[in-house]
Amino acid sequence: AQKITQTQPGMFVQEKEAVTLDCTYDTSDQSYGLFWYKQPSSGEMIFLIYQGSYDEQNATEGRYSLNFQKARKSANLVISASQLGDSAMYFCAMRGEYNFNKFYFGSGTKLNVKP
Amino acid sequence: KAGVTQTPRYLIKTRGQQVTLSCSPISGHRSVSWYQQTPGQGLQFLFEYFSETQRNKGNFPGRFSGRQFSNSRSEMNVSTLELGDSALYLCASSLGGGSNSPLHFGNGTRLTVT
Repeated sequence: AQKITQTQPGMFVQEKEAVTLDCTYDTSDQSYGLFWYKQPSSGEMIFLIYQGSYDEQNATEGRYSLNFQKARKSANLVISASQLGDSAMYFCAMRGEYNFNKFYFGSGTKLNVKP
Repeated sequence: KAGVTQTPRYLIKTRGQQVTLSCSPISGHRSVSWYQQTPGQGLQFLFEYFSETQRNKGNFPGRFSGRQFSNSRSEMNVSTLELGDSALYLCASSLGGGSNSPLHFGNGTRLTVT
């Protein structure tokens, strides 16, 4: 079975500063994918970034980067130069090797960006 | 390219009634998944359809069912509604399920059962 753990229910960050959102996972699969999603108060889940278990380089997408430490089973999201519009819930998710599109989600982290 | 469209956005139903939610995926996407989101349980997988076939199913009672049509549009049905079914129901589409293929979500349908 797969499990995603996000231990930070809520976080504050000052505008223009960087912030790291923690995510650890548990799986016995050799091949898996790790994803981060943003959910504003409107409800829509917005895909941010993907990391494959065999990818040697950490994924980056604009201001988002994923700090992937396979041995520690962690996949932390780093947001650089935070903006007020980054205030939202952030979910870490995983797809296992044989799960097709059954994603496992963490409980989320509520990020508040202060002006 | 149009995103995932879910209708309706909001629904209020009474216990014991049934409800049908609709989802139109991104053009070209053949996989449609449904998730239930509640404050207590978080995001939980309901089921996934690919080319009109249910490919995966979560741990929900049989009152929750779905189907997919030949144009990849999907519907989800909940019968004999219970208060605990109040939730945000999210539909997501993707190309097929390759390990690097993300889910693309709609805005969700917020169901309130009274």
